[in-house]
Amino acid sequence: AQKITQTQPGMFVQEKEAVTLDCTYDTSDPSYGLFWYKQPSSGEMIFLIYQGSYDQQNATEGRYSLNFQKARKSANLVISASQLGDSAMYFCAMREENTGNQFYFGTGTSLTVIP
Amino acid sequence: SAVISQKPSRDICQRGTSLTIQCQVDSQVTMMFWYRQQPGQSLTLIATANQGSEATYESGFVIDKFPISRPNLTFSTLTVSNMSPEDSSIYLCSASITGLAGNEQFFGPGTRLTVL
Repeated sequence: AQKITQTQPGMFVQEKEAVTLDCTYDTSDPSYGLFWYKQPSSGEMIFLIYQGSYDQQNATEGRYSLNFQKARKSANLVISASQLGDSAMYFCAMREENTGNQFYFGTGTSLTVIP
Repeated sequence: SAVISQKPSRDICQRGTSLTIQCQVDSQVTMMFWYRQQPGQSLTLIATANQGSEATYESGFVIDKFPISRPNLTFSTLTVSNMSPEDSSIYLCSASITGLAGNEQFFGPGTRLTVL
């Protein structure tokens, strides 16, 4: 089974609007971490935000916030006040405690910010 | 955090040749990883490279095709051997570092490989 599922291959958002990128995950490990990465056209992977499975509050980092719904196994990324520079691929990833340091990546969502 | 550099940043190679990609981390790390990202796809883990031991390869990847070296705690190389056009991908090096988010993974800028 897929560990990480991103169902939106492509998304468009108007500049200055908010956008939600979906991510669901599958694990039986009670301890895990969820990550979002941004990959611009240059190819580098940029770490954005992290949510631990035991964290009580949703993670926030500037304009990025993670809508963590543990019972539904979802970890959606919310980008507020979108900027043109936010246009990129976005990958959701998970690390399970039991498998050590291996990361599982989703297939990604291509976000385009429209001026 | 960590700063990771890769060389070369891109290359165009002929079928049947080999290319060695270098990855340098600005701090000592125990675990380094090599990923492949084929055009329009997600990242696929090739192997985990631990210093002082043989690399651990994921299903579908073998040492003869992707030999890896890890001579010290800040450096690793990945060789793509006997290349074919199907090897055209971005190859990403990453390092696992314990930070606020537990074991975080930081990535190098990637190497864009085109095989003709």
